[in-house]
Amino acid sequence: QVQLVESGGGVVQPGGSLRLSCEASGFTFSTNNMQWVRQAPGKGLEWLAFISFHGTDKNYVDSVKGRFTISRDNSKNTLFLQMNGLRTEDTAVYYCVRDFDWGLHQWGQGILVTVSS
Amino acid sequence: QSALTQPPSASGSPGQSVTISCTGTSSDVGGYNHVSWYQQYPGKAPKLMIYEVNKRPSGVPDRLSGSKSGNTASLTVSGLQAEDEADYYCNSYAGDYNWVFGGGTKLTVL
Repeated sequence: QVQLVESGGGVVQPGGSLRLSCEASGFTFSTNNMQWVRQAPGKGLEWLAFISFHGTDKNYVDSVKGRFTISRDNSKNTLFLQMNGLRTEDTAVYYCVRDFDWGLHQWGQGILVTVSS
Repeated sequence: QSALTQPPSASGSPGQSVTISCTGTSSDVGGYNHVSWYQQYPGKAPKLMIYEVNKRPSGVPDRLSGSKSGNTASLTVSGLQAEDEADYYCNSYAGDYNWVFGGGTKLTVL
């Protein structure tokens, strides 16, 4: 059974940093592309970042380019999202997602990041 | 990276059919057959319902179907049931490792 478990969220001041982790199990992590998706309170889903299975191809939504970095450790079945220069508008639930066969097939439970002074 | 356009709301009575549209451009919906649809209940993670325009993951009822014409994709829910009441989001690949979601549609079963 596929499981994606996010951790590392919390409350941070504007300008601060957080590193989200997503531990994967139940599938061969090293052969799957992964993504991060977020959802601000009361708002819709927003695609955030993509990383290929080998980690060499990455991309981000324009609003986080230069501030967020997606990475992965295939030896530890873990996906990361390093978030720097956080803004109040980054407050959201962040989801780790398995990208398979051009669909976002499995989602983590989500982790809340609150940016507030 | 503009969001795809979905109607904010849709509704139907039990047993009826409802179709939710998702309009993009030739750079996303119209350019690729990589359109997917997600169902989300309040406070829960989204769930994949349709991928590659019209494929259903195992466990998704065949009452749900997807299609695409030009720059517009559609999700049809037939034989509406109370459990179908949820938010629905479309998603499309937009090239160069970019993806984009629609704004979401709240489906109400009357």
